[in-house]
Amino acid sequence: KAGVTQTPRYLIKTRGQQVTLSCSPISGHRSVSWYQQTPGQGLQFLFEYFSETQRNKGNFPGRFSGRQFSNSRSEMNVSTLELGDSALYLCASSNPGTASYEQYFGPGTRLTVT
Amino acid sequence: LAKTTQPISMDSYEGQEVNITCSHNNIATNDYITWYQQFPSQGPRFIIQGYKTKVTNEVASLFIPADRKSSTLSLPRVSLSDTAVYYCLVVENTGFQKLVFGTGTRLLVSP
Repeated sequence: KAGVTQTPRYLIKTRGQQVTLSCSPISGHRSVSWYQQTPGQGLQFLFEYFSETQRNKGNFPGRFSGRQFSNSRSEMNVSTLELGDSALYLCASSNPGTASYEQYFGPGTRLTVT
Repeated sequence: LAKTTQPISMDSYEGQEVNITCSHNNIATNDYITWYQQFPSQGPRFIIQGYKTKVTNEVASLFIPADRKSSTLSLPRVSLSDTAVYYCLVVENTGFQKLVFGTGTRLLVSP
């Protein structure tokens, strides 16, 4: 079974621009969660989508948004990029109801904001 | 969510057994204890989870005392490839897929 895929793997953007990251979950998984990882703040939960609905949200500003499509693929958007948004963005998929603690992470998208 | 505390770093040598202890004093009745492993520039990988007593899989063992206020991840006979950051997480059994990661333990295995 193919793992979680994220595109693109690397991205360089300029402050003020916006960016869209994509995540394809493991086949059959209906939940997709997004995390941000930085050296200073560590791994932080952004939000979770299940059946095209956002079920849970972390403490990030409204510039961070996401959506999920009917095939469970998810996108994350960051508008008006700031230097502090430079990070590794990870998505994880799982099948709720089976093992909520076991999420499968993708390789991440490394975003650099200059 | 219960806060977890674990050592920032640990050193070991190949072939040794490594035990990483995590404290979670405020763990709730419905919470599970979960451990993840992360290599540089990769996403975390689920290792093991448990509720109480002992759990063992092909990779590790997890020991949880009766009061569940702490847990110990045991890695038998580590190799260089076990060098990674290990995260202890307490996960609410609510169905919501939200993982709260702490700072983790950076394990360095030397030859």
